[in-house]
Amino acid sequence: GDSVTQMEGPVTLSEEAFLTINCTYTATGYPSLFWYVQYPGEGLQLLLKATKADDKGSNKGFEATYRKETTSFHLEKGSVQVSDSAVYFCALSDNNDMRFGAGTRLTVKP
Amino acid sequence: DAGVIQSPRHEVTEMGQEVTLRCKPISGHNSLFWYRQTMMRGLELLIYFNNNVPIDDSGMPEDRFSAKMPNASFSTLKIQPSEPRDSAVYFCASSFTSGGADEQFFGPGTRLTVL
Repeated sequence: GDSVTQMEGPVTLSEEAFLTINCTYTATGYPSLFWYVQYPGEGLQLLLKATKADDKGSNKGFEATYRKETTSFHLEKGSVQVSDSAVYFCALSDNNDMRFGAGTRLTVKP
Repeated sequence: DAGVIQSPRHEVTEMGQEVTLRCKPISGHNSLFWYRQTMMRGLELLIYFNNNVPIDDSGMPEDRFSAKMPNASFSTLKIQPSEPRDSAVYFCASSFTSGGADEQFFGPGTRLTVL
């Protein structure tokens, strides 16, 4: 079945560092891809999404590009802030069937 | 504009007791999802409803778990009898399913501790 594999954490960075969290997927159809973020004590919230190959999703300085040739949707940010500390989940959805990755915990130190 | 509402936010109970978790989805949404999150197993889909009808309950761990959606604005997840291994954070999410890239909106979760 469809699945998502994302980079294991935890990831610890200094403020203003460059962030990459890798995500690859396996799907039989043409899923939509998502990144969700979970702050401590809260539910998941959508960070960005892409619905078809070569689409780029972006929000709050984060970006990810839907790469069909490499089945990837890596999350990037050029300069992280302490407030970006959270758990990030890659997900795919095909026909209302949403599959989440295991999550990657990011800690940004001042 | 209220998001997904879950109650209670925290529940501590003893093994063998019945636990009922409640969820109010966003008005106008037609799909509702129940998830369980633990450190060991991550985020697991338990069941989802579309137009109040259960579509996929393959993630429900066992017969002790049951979920209902009597109307478009309310759903419950019940565990009877509860066991310590049920301790987790339970999330409810809703979406408007239109056949496209349907974002799910999550509630704040219910942290369940079974002693």
